[in-house]
Amino acid sequence: QKEVEQNSGPLSVPEGAIASLNCTYSDRGSQSFFWYRQYSGKSPELIMFIYSNGDKEDGRFTAQLNKASQYVSLLIRDSQPSDSATYLCAVNSGGYQKVTFGTGTKLQVIP
Amino acid sequence: DTGVSQDPRHKITKRGQNVTFRCDPISEHNRLYWYRQTLGQGPEFLTYFQNEAQLEKSRLLSDRFSAERPKGSFSTLEIQRTEQGDSAMYLCASSPRGGRADEQYFGPGTRLTVT
Repeated sequence: QKEVEQNSGPLSVPEGAIASLNCTYSDRGSQSFFWYRQYSGKSPELIMFIYSNGDKEDGRFTAQLNKASQYVSLLIRDSQPSDSATYLCAVNSGGYQKVTFGTGTKLQVIP
Repeated sequence: DTGVSQDPRHKITKRGQNVTFRCDPISEHNRLYWYRQTLGQGPEFLTYFQNEAQLEKSRLLSDRFSAERPKGSFSTLEIQRTEQGDSAMYLCASSPRGGRADEQYFGPGTRLTVT
C-alpha cells in the first residue's frame, strides 16, 4: 500500500465549477497535510496546509481533513483555466520533517 | 525575488560522468531538503539538513550520491558515475527557522538528463 494515494486523473471540470481533489494516507500517526500545485515543467508550489480535523479556507481553496478516515481533500471553487495543473498531496508522518508526496491528480479546467 | 534558487536549471551529461547541483535556500531558512522527481511521480525525499548538519538520508540516496551544506547556507548535491536512471528533476526546498519545518518551499529544480 502506498503511503499517500491520489487518483491520477485527469479530472476535468468546466470553468466556474467546484473541483474536488482527494487523497488518502496510510500512516494513522500523520500530523501535517499539504497541497501543492505543480504546473507542467515547473516545481511544486505550496498552496494549502492543514493540521487539524475539519475545514480550512483560503480564498477559493478549502482543505478538508478527516483523520479518522485518513483522508484529506482540496476543493477549488469557481475553477479557472489557470487552475489547470497537477495537485500533489503531501503528508508528514512524524520524525524529521520528511514529507511524503502522492503521485498527484491532474486537473483540467475546461473554458 | 528571494525564493529558493537552484543552479543549473538543466544539465545534460553522459553516463559515467559526475555532476554537481547547487541550491541556495531562502536566506532566513535554516532547513534544507533535496528531493527527486520523475515523470508522473511525486517528489521523493532524498536528504535533509538543519543548518550544516545532515540529519536524515533516504535509502534512495545510494553511495553515488552525496550532499553537503558546509556553512549552513547553500547546499550541493553530487552524483558520481551517473546512470540513465538518474535522469530526473532534482528539487531543493527550504523551510524557516522557528516555523513549521514541514512547510517547505521549493526552488525551480535542476533537470538532469543522462545520455
